[in-house]
This record gives sequence, C-alpha cells and structure tokens, in this order.
Amino acid sequence: EIVLTQSPGTLSLSPGERATLSCRASQSVISSYLAWYQRKPGQAPRLLIYGASSRAIGIPDRFSGSGSGTDFTLTIRRLEPEDSAVYYCQQYGSSPTFGGGTKVEIK
Amino acid sequence: EVQLLESGGGLVQPGGSLRLACAASGYTFSTYAMSWVRQAPGKGLEWVSAISGPGGSTRYADSVKGRFTMSRDNSKNMLYLQMNSLRDEDTAVYYCAKDTQSLTFGGVIVPYYFDCWGQGTLVTVS
Repeated sequence: EIVLTQSPGTLSLSPGERATLSCRASQSVISSYLAWYQRKPGQAPRLLIYGASSRAIGIPDRFSGSGSGTDFTLTIRRLEPEDSAVYYCQQYGSSPTFGGGTKVEIK
Repeated sequence: EVQLLESGGGLVQPGGSLRLACAASGYTFSTYAMSWVRQAPGKGLEWVSAISGPGGSTRYADSVKGRFTMSRDNSKNMLYLQMNSLRDEDTAVYYCAKDTQSLTFGGVIVPYYFDCWGQGTLVTVS
C-alpha cells in the first residue's frame, strides 16, 4: 500500500497570499496518478486536480498541481476566504489511498 | 447535474449487518465505475471498495474483504454496499463516489479518481 503523507497539518494564511501544500508518497506513484480534493465542512469532497497537474472542470486557475514520483504539490495562488477547507491528495496507481489532509485557514 | 445520494446508515451492534444504498442521477450510470470511501471520526479518507460499470468486477480494501459486498443495479441507477460482521472500527461516514472511467486490468477493476461524491451516510457500530 502506498502511504501518502501531507504537510503541513494546518496552514494559516491571509487573503491574497499563496498556499503551498505537500503530498509525499512512500513509493513512486505510477504515471503521476495523483489527485487533489477540497473538502469544506458539511460538504462532499470536490475534485480539484488529477494526473498531478490537470485541473478538473470548473476549477479556477488559481489552483495548480505539480510533481512526480514521490513528491507532489498543490499551490493555491491569491487565496480567497472561500478557499478555507481541508485538502486531500489521493493516489490511484494502485489500490487507492488518501493523505491525512492539510487544513487551510484564511485569517 | 450529477447527483449521488446515500442512504441506509444507522446504529448497529458489533457483529451486525447493514446495507447502504446510493442513488445516482444526471449521467449514464452504467458507463462508470463506482467506489465507496469512508471517513472515521477524526481520521482521514479511506477507500473501501470499487465496482466496474457493468458490475462484473469488484475490488475491496483488505480491511473489509470477506465482510463487505458491493453491487449495483444499472436498471435502477443504484449502488449498494452490504456490510456484515461489523466492527467498532467500521464506524464512519460512508460516501459513494463516481469514478471517471471503468477500467479493468486482468479482469479486475482499477479505481481511478472521483469527480463526484455524495453527502455521506453515517454508520455507527456500537
């Protein structure tokens, strides 16, 4: 099983700043099969990024993904109050696994 | 609009059984694989099981293999999860999630990523 470790656990930033979220895999993720989700309280997870860097339909270009192998990053530029959420990474190269999540707080 | 609506959660004693259902609408249900994903209190997301679009292939996490059975009725756009021999550690919110394809390799479903999730249904084993 591929274990995904996300860091930091919590990120507290001001509107307009940039958030950089990390997702590290215990072994190489096949073909960059990595996705990112946003989860707001009381809501279902929302797909943001797939294939490590492709944005899902309707996702603003403030959200971008990068990385390969074992190290992946989700970057959120020009943070807005509505970006306050928990963000999860997921690999799907083998039996799917999720990271533990990074909570983004907007001051 | 794609919608998924889970039902069937509740309180059950250890060793008991429960059947979850997920009603899908807004897309051609049989075309896509589906998964169940759960989140235990204070924990992260855990993939539980997947089923291919036609329903002929299923796959389970080791933690539920032999106890849970996933099925679907494409004529009714319904997904199911039969949970037997429930344990305390099965307590979680269970989400059904739509896959973006229905790939199999060697006849076994290969779950991908999920572009639509339901709101979840709470299962409490106590």
